[in-house]
Amino acid sequence: KAGVTQTPRYLIKTRGQQVTLSCSPISGHRSVSWYQQTPGQGLQFLFEYFSETQRNKGNFPGRFSGRQFSNSRSEMNVSTLELGDSALYLCASSLDFRGNIQYFGAGTRLSVL
Amino acid sequence: DAKTTQPNSMESNEEEPVHLPCNHSTISGTDYIHWYRQLPSQGPEYVIHGLTSNVNNRMASLAIAEDRKSSTLILHRATLRDAAVYYCILRDVGRDDKIIFGKGTRLHILP
Repeated sequence: KAGVTQTPRYLIKTRGQQVTLSCSPISGHRSVSWYQQTPGQGLQFLFEYFSETQRNKGNFPGRFSGRQFSNSRSEMNVSTLELGDSALYLCASSLDFRGNIQYFGAGTRLSVL
Repeated sequence: DAKTTQPNSMESNEEEPVHLPCNHSTISGTDYIHWYRQLPSQGPEYVIHGLTSNVNNRMASLAIAEDRKSSTLILHRATLRDAAVYYCILRDVGRDDKIIFGKGTRLHILP
C-alpha cells in the first residue's frame, strides 16, 4: 500500500506570492490533517478534513486555507507569503476523524525569500 | 487539551534498553496515551498507544502507571536508527483527529 504522498518536496517562493501544496492520503483513508513544523514553534496543527469538510482549524491566520476533494486528496494554500511561513508542511492521513493512528508524509519544505 | 511533560533530551548506548518517561498528571479518563517519533528528515511515525494496560508491539513497549499520571516508552534494544525525537501525546479518541504535539524528547544513541 502506498504511503502518504506530498508534492512538491521542496519549494522556493518570494514574499507576497501564494503557494499550493498537495497531499494524497493512503488509499481508503478519508481524514487528512495538516501541520506546520518550524525550529522555533515545533509541530503545530493547521487543519483537519474529513469527507470534504473542515472539522478543525488551528490558530493560524486566514492566509492559510485548505480543501479536500471527493477522492480524499487535499490541498493547502498559503496566500501573501511571509518570511515566517518558511517551514516544513506535513500532511497526515487516517481512516476517519476518530483519533485513529495518523500516517504522515515526508512533508513539503517551503522556503520564502 | 491535557498536556504532557517530557525531558528535552536523553542519551543511551546502542544495544541497551531505553526508558523514555512522560508525565501527564491532568489526563482525563477518555484520553489515550500515544507515542510518535520523528526520525531526521522524515515526518512523524506512530510508535504505540494505550489506555490503561501496558502494551507491546514490534517497535516498543508502553508501561502505564496505575494512576495513569505517567507512562514510559521502552525501546528494548536501541539501535542507531532509533535516534529521533519522541513525542508523548494525549488523544481523546473519538472526538477528532488533530494531534497537539509538545516539544518531545530528543533521543541520542551512542555507538
